[in-house]
Amino acid sequence: GESVGLHLPTLSVQEGDNSIINCAYSNSASDYFIWYKQESGKGPQFIIDIRSNMDKRQGQRVTVLLNKTVKHLSLQIAATQPGDSAVYFCAENNYGQNFVFGPGTRLSVLP
Amino acid sequence: EADIYQTPRYLVIGTGKKITLECSQTMGHDKMYWYQQDPGMELHLIHYSYGVNSTEKGDLSSESTVSRIRTEHFPLTLESARPSHTSQYLCASSPLAGGPNEQFFGPGTRLTVL
Repeated sequence: GESVGLHLPTLSVQEGDNSIINCAYSNSASDYFIWYKQESGKGPQFIIDIRSNMDKRQGQRVTVLLNKTVKHLSLQIAATQPGDSAVYFCAENNYGQNFVFGPGTRLSVLP
Repeated sequence: EADIYQTPRYLVIGTGKKITLECSQTMGHDKMYWYQQDPGMELHLIHYSYGVNSTEKGDLSSESTVSRIRTEHFPLTLESARPSHTSQYLCASSPLAGGPNEQFFGPGTRLTVL
């Protein structure tokens, strides 16, 4: 069945460095992807999305890259800040079906 | 900030009690969802609804039930809570029509069953 998974369960980066969080998905028919950030005790918060007809999308300090050939999604955070510490989830969607979430990567920002 | 609310935020109850977790959204979204999430783990869809009078079971089997009598309200009920129900429950909503659309999440209810 469908599955979305992350390569690394935890990631520690130095403040000011760039962070890269990876996600693999198995459903080649998925056409829409979202990255969520979840801080402790809160619900997931939308960060950035990308459609399958795009390879790259940029937001404020964040960039999402989509490689459909290898079914890989990544989230890049520039100049990581302490406030970026959270669990990050990728989610995929297939033409309006329910979202499938990955297991999450915990990002820790070191001072 | 998404306009989706969940109450209570925290709940500790004894085994066998009946509980209802409330979820409301003021965005007029047709589709609503309930997810179960253990700490630091992925979200598992347990129920969803396309609109009023629509309820569907999600990917993860759950002993809970839901109802959708009003667009803005999607409560989840456990008739007899057990320790295995201890988890975080997240409610979400999204527009139904149109192209790609994000889900907006509530803050979650952390349930502990003793």
